[in-house]
Amino acid sequence: GAVVSQHPSWVICKSGTSVKIECRSLDFQATTMFWYRQFPKQSLMLMATSNEGSKATYEQGVEKDKFLINHASLTLSTLTVTSAHPEDSSFYICSVPRRAGNTGELFFGEGSRLTVL
Amino acid sequence: QKEVEQDPGPLSVPEGAIVSLNCTYSNSAFQYFMWYRQYSRKGPELLMYTYSSGNKEDGRFTAQVDKSSKYISLFIRDSQPSDSATYLCAMGGKYGNKLVFGAGTILRVKS
Repeated sequence: GAVVSQHPSWVICKSGTSVKIECRSLDFQATTMFWYRQFPKQSLMLMATSNEGSKATYEQGVEKDKFLINHASLTLSTLTVTSAHPEDSSFYICSVPRRAGNTGELFFGEGSRLTVL
Repeated sequence: QKEVEQDPGPLSVPEGAIVSLNCTYSNSAFQYFMWYRQYSRKGPELLMYTYSSGNKEDGRFTAQVDKSSKYISLFIRDSQPSDSATYLCAMGGKYGNKLVFGAGTILRVKS
């Protein structure tokens, strides 16, 4: 069964509104979660690292005020796209490390497809 | 130059064929090498994982890493239509969980 649950799986919103995407680790606690964005026919781009109990770490070029990340508990991280615009339309995917240590083995959620009209 | 280069394909093969997927990279600090499989509109799924150079086999899948050439490969034997997906190579360095992904190769296995 799924290890990482992401919700909603797809969302359509009007330009200017905010959208919240949830990522839940189902089987274990995760002090760190990762948020990726994937445009059609392109690779996954790391947006930010979500840290439980502290501020998220954003990658270069990612606006922290635009993409708000909250790691509320050891099993939940949320990504809020604020004042969404059509160029924010993308596939957003969260991931959780499979094991302790930096090994690169990740469980991915099913992704959330955002369409901004 | 991208850190990781991967031919996007699509790659079309008949059922039963041996498939070879490849990535090259430029960052010598990469230590962890992975292949993820992604079906349409789904999240990626870890397929193979290798630390440093060498080969690893798991069923019909074999992963090879040649750090001296900065080149990794994934071989799929006896390919099946269910193998049709996008295959993403991914690499990590000291901070292994911060992966750099290739663009993904679309594979189509025809029955």
